[in-house]
Amino acid sequence: NAGVTQTPKFRILKIGQSMTLQCTQDMNHNYMYWYRQDPGMGLKLIYYSVGAGITDKGEVPNGYNVSRSTTEDFPLRLELAAPSQTSVYFCASSYPEGSTEAFFGQGTRLTVV
Amino acid sequence: GNSVTQMEGPVTLSEEAFLTINCTYTATGYPSLFWYVQYPGEGLQLLLKATKADDKGSNKGFEATYRKETTSFHLEKGSVQVSDSAVYFCALSANYGGATNKLIFGTGTLLAVQP
Repeated sequence: NAGVTQTPKFRILKIGQSMTLQCTQDMNHNYMYWYRQDPGMGLKLIYYSVGAGITDKGEVPNGYNVSRSTTEDFPLRLELAAPSQTSVYFCASSYPEGSTEAFFGQGTRLTVV
Repeated sequence: GNSVTQMEGPVTLSEEAFLTINCTYTATGYPSLFWYVQYPGEGLQLLLKATKADDKGSNKGFEATYRKETTSFHLEKGSVQVSDSAVYFCALSANYGGATNKLIFGTGTLLAVQP
């Protein structure tokens, strides 16, 4: 089972460049999430989606955009990369019920220089 | 708002020592509580969970009990192994009147077990 797949695993961007972090899941989960993990800061929610065509902001959405055209895919777009966006990004998915677990991808380590 | 507070690390233990990682939460309603583990270079994976007061979650020798009176969900293991070295995250998920369930994480606690 593939679960949640993120690409790329590593990326270095220059300030002002753009990129899309890809995330796809094969578990038919309604809910999908993007988190960023900064050292010593835990995980912060960037955006989430409760189903195809529906997205909403999390705690730290500035500088990012998302779309959800299918149940499987939830890409995260950085339009003008800034050093403050250097982080590890995790995509996750789950069923709607709060008692169920979230499944995480292996992460994308992004460095903006 | 909802929040999770867990003890800061790193926690360094010798093999076979007893482990406790404290976690307390603030939430309205009746959250579900989770412990996730992150091994080096990997994503998070669920370690255990509890969905109502007094439930005990357990897995791989780890346990945690949902204590509503103290709003706590402390992680314990009687005898740690080197292979338990990882970052441990406490998290909660709460739903209010149909609002979306979202996981709220603590800052994580790094556990290092020495042989």
